[in-house]
Amino acid sequence: QSVLTQPPSVSAAPGQKVTISCSGGSSNIGNNYVSWYQQLPGTAPKVLIYDNNKRPSGIPDRFSGSKSGTSATLGITGLQTGDEADYYCATWDSSLSAGVFGGGTKLTVL
Amino acid sequence: EVQLVESGGGLIQPGGSLGLSCAGSAFTFSSYAMTWVRQAPGKGLEWVSATSSGGGSTYYADSVKGRFTISRDNSKSTLYLQMNSLRAEDTAVYYCAKSGSGYSSGWFDYWGQGTLVTVSS
Repeated sequence: QSVLTQPPSVSAAPGQKVTISCSGGSSNIGNNYVSWYQQLPGTAPKVLIYDNNKRPSGIPDRFSGSKSGTSATLGITGLQTGDEADYYCATWDSSLSAGVFGGGTKLTVL
Repeated sequence: EVQLVESGGGLIQPGGSLGLSCAGSAFTFSSYAMTWVRQAPGKGLEWVSATSSGGGSTYYADSVKGRFTISRDNSKSTLYLQMNSLRAEDTAVYYCAKSGSGYSSGWFDYWGQGTLVTVSS
């Protein structure tokens, strides 16, 4: 049971937009930065978003992040088949003094 | 190019011990917190342990507290994870990850390729 809650799966057609939610509490998302990671099959995770809404260099602006209260959202526009992957949110939990990940969301581009 | 290379994984019997290493290169290792993250077969990512840049502060997931020890040797640019009293549920690919912010609580900008630990009799 993950501290952060994500939907197990989302799907959309190529070219469309999808959002992935990440729900937590005051000790984690509510008071700490959120980051998002993409994991393609058989590879290590890659950061897409950090500090709630910032993109590292090289990450296209099709990927966006936002945070409101104790929830965060990853948005992906102009979906491509290459976006099919597992997506994870992460943050720090001040009560646990530990990092936490969401359970992951599998994105299918139909 | 920043590189993180894990080693030390393998097959170990329940109750046994195993040590993992993560060698960093192309960045000032001593300036960044480092973290271990694991992924059981077919499962999601699980944060395991982190250490501050100097090694003076360490943090653990409840699932490994008291059994795993994280440490680092900044002179060798190497991160370690000593795993004792291993259980079947510790079976996973173990990744080391570099902090993007420098802090233990921060995001991860670089990840290693992972090393597989299998706990089985």
